[in-house]
Amino acid sequence: KNEVEQSPQNLTAQEGEFITINCSYSVGISALHWLQQHPGGGIVSLFMLSSGKKKHGRLIATINIQEKHSSLHITASHPRDSAVYICAARNTGNQFYFGTGTSLTVIP
Amino acid sequence: KAGVTQTPRYLIKTRGQQVTLSCSPISGHRSVSWYQQTPGQGLQFLFEYFSETQRNKGNFPGRFSGRQFSNSRSEMNVSTLELGDSALYLCASSWTGGALYEQYFGPGTRLTVT
Repeated sequence: KNEVEQSPQNLTAQEGEFITINCSYSVGISALHWLQQHPGGGIVSLFMLSSGKKKHGRLIATINIQEKHSSLHITASHPRDSAVYICAARNTGNQFYFGTGTSLTVIP
Repeated sequence: KAGVTQTPRYLIKTRGQQVTLSCSPISGHRSVSWYQQTPGQGLQFLFEYFSETQRNKGNFPGRFSGRQFSNSRSEMNVSTLELGDSALYLCASSWTGGALYEQYFGPGTRLTVT
């Protein structure tokens, strides 16, 4: 069993739709990261959470420490949001455990 | 501020050879982490360096090694290359490397082993 599980693996949405990507983890964490990877490989760190909720523009990330669950929401999705979204749990020993990623395609 | 740079961007090696990849962090960042990404295994943590010391290590064989210099630049070395080492190798830098600090990723080095 992977320490970090993401769902769904693949997601296709129409432009403007509200999108949710889920992440469950089994390790004790000091932080939970959401990463975005575009075709070509470049990775951007979107959020780093240790509790509660964070918002950057149309992106919102939440975490429930008790339930060991985090969600990434995209409001008013746009084709430029098409990318792979990766959840990463950083444990108290400073090691990262990565989810397998959610491939998002937003259709105009 | 310049971002994280990695050299070379692409590399082709044959089995049994060794390879050295380089990573220059963002100016002022003292922590550098290395990751391997393959289609089968996804992203995996290799190791983390802070102030020239290896602070954490993932579950990789001893063929994978690294070091960090006094200017925070880091290199990773893979000896006796295997076909399965073909991957995108990413480095990321942060100010301290602590859990609450964001990591900034480089563009990666795509290694192909033939």
